[in-house]
Amino acid sequence: QVQLVQSGAEVKKPGASVKVSCKASGYTFTSYGISWVRQAPGQGLEWMGWISAYNGNTNYAQKLQGRVTMTTDTSTSTAYMELRSLRSDDTAVYYCARARRGITGTNFDYWGQGTLVTVSS
Amino acid sequence: DIQMTQSPSSLSASVGDRVTITCRASQSISSYLNWYQQKPGKAPKLLIYAASSLQSGVPSRFSGSGSGTDFTLTISSLQPEDFATYYCQQSYSTPVTFGQGTRLEIK
Repeated sequence: QVQLVQSGAEVKKPGASVKVSCKASGYTFTSYGISWVRQAPGQGLEWMGWISAYNGNTNYAQKLQGRVTMTTDTSTSTAYMELRSLRSDDTAVYYCARARRGITGTNFDYWGQGTLVTVSS
Repeated sequence: DIQMTQSPSSLSASVGDRVTITCRASQSISSYLNWYQQKPGKAPKLLIYAASSLQSGVPSRFSGSGSGTDFTLTISSLQPEDFATYYCQQSYSTPVTFGQGTRLEIK
């Protein structure tokens, strides 16, 4: 069965960086992309970007450009999301999701369990 | 960016009710529209993709319709496990954007 298992909760100080991992299993990793979506406490869902696990191509949300980097390690079927220069408003649950692309668009059919990142001095 | 607006923002209903949630895009997105269900403390779950296709394993009481700018998610007969928050999401263009969510509560 398809599973995405994320790394554990993090507490960071403002200005620091965080790197969240997402280990995939149960499918051919390079056949799908991975998107990252975050959710601030009590708020809605915000798309952060996408990475192709096939060739490493990325597409980031403009508001995060320059602060976010998404990578994959195909040898371990793991995706990573690094966010730098953390601010208090980066406090959120961060989700990875398998991006299923087709002629009818892209949807996120499997999700990780979420990783809480808290930014606090 | 394409703005997605859901209505209502919250809704109270009873078990057995028929419920409809609406999602409107700020420009035409063809059928590039997906619906998710999220329960507290859990990841979102894909319900409907491409506006009207039922994701595998999702009960048939869920259905979606629409194209262009106006879309609906319908639950034909509410079950206790359906009380959750629902989000629409467009994939017509990046950035991918979500609606603000509709919280479905028990009356």
